[in-house]
Amino acid sequence: SQTIHQWPATLVQPVGSPLSLECTVEGTSNPNLYWYRQAAGRGLQLLFYSVGIGQISSEVPQNLSASRPQDRQFILSSKKLLLSDSGFYLCAWSVTVGQPQHFGDGTRLSIL
Amino acid sequence: QKEVEQNSGPLSVPEGAIASLNCTYSDRGSQSFFWYRQYSGKSPELIMSIYSNGDKEDGRFTAQLNKASQYVSLLIRDSQPSDSATYLCAVSGGTSYGKLTFGQGTILTVHP
Repeated sequence: SQTIHQWPATLVQPVGSPLSLECTVEGTSNPNLYWYRQAAGRGLQLLFYSVGIGQISSEVPQNLSASRPQDRQFILSSKKLLLSDSGFYLCAWSVTVGQPQHFGDGTRLSIL
Repeated sequence: QKEVEQNSGPLSVPEGAIASLNCTYSDRGSQSFFWYRQYSGKSPELIMSIYSNGDKEDGRFTAQLNKASQYVSLLIRDSQPSDSATYLCAVSGGTSYGKLTFGQGTILTVHP
């Protein structure tokens, strides 16, 4: 069966510091991968998605970036965090387009 | 107009009652429809997928889709306090090909 791992679960970072969140999927090949952010009391905002290694689509202009160095690895990064980057970051995968997405446990990011 | 609209609630029902959650979408080309349950502080969990008009039943859950009316609903029979959560409607296809567009979610509270 397929599983998705996301870490860390909780992160507290100062403003201006860098960020790296990692997500890996097991039990499937060439999944579609997604990064979302959910602000407190708000809906899910799609940040990036990838249909293959090195292929990244950005949905919202911001100071975040994503990379997919391996088939089942998806990384969310920032060089300098802003206060507005606080939120609940979720990684998800799907088999292909039109199929349901399955979420990791998420990372709760607080910026001080 | 929001692409996917849900009543934010909260919707409060007594234990044992039927909870009815509604969702409308604006893109007539949408082809895949999903319901997710999100407990407070947790990541979304897929509970139903529906792709064609009509009803789809899975245990206590029934999803209903009406593409002509651009409407999808979720019925929860014999509601339990453990069903208390935020329910997210998600739509794929059409202009959002390859991506899911989420509604803001409906908060459901089932009281004993």
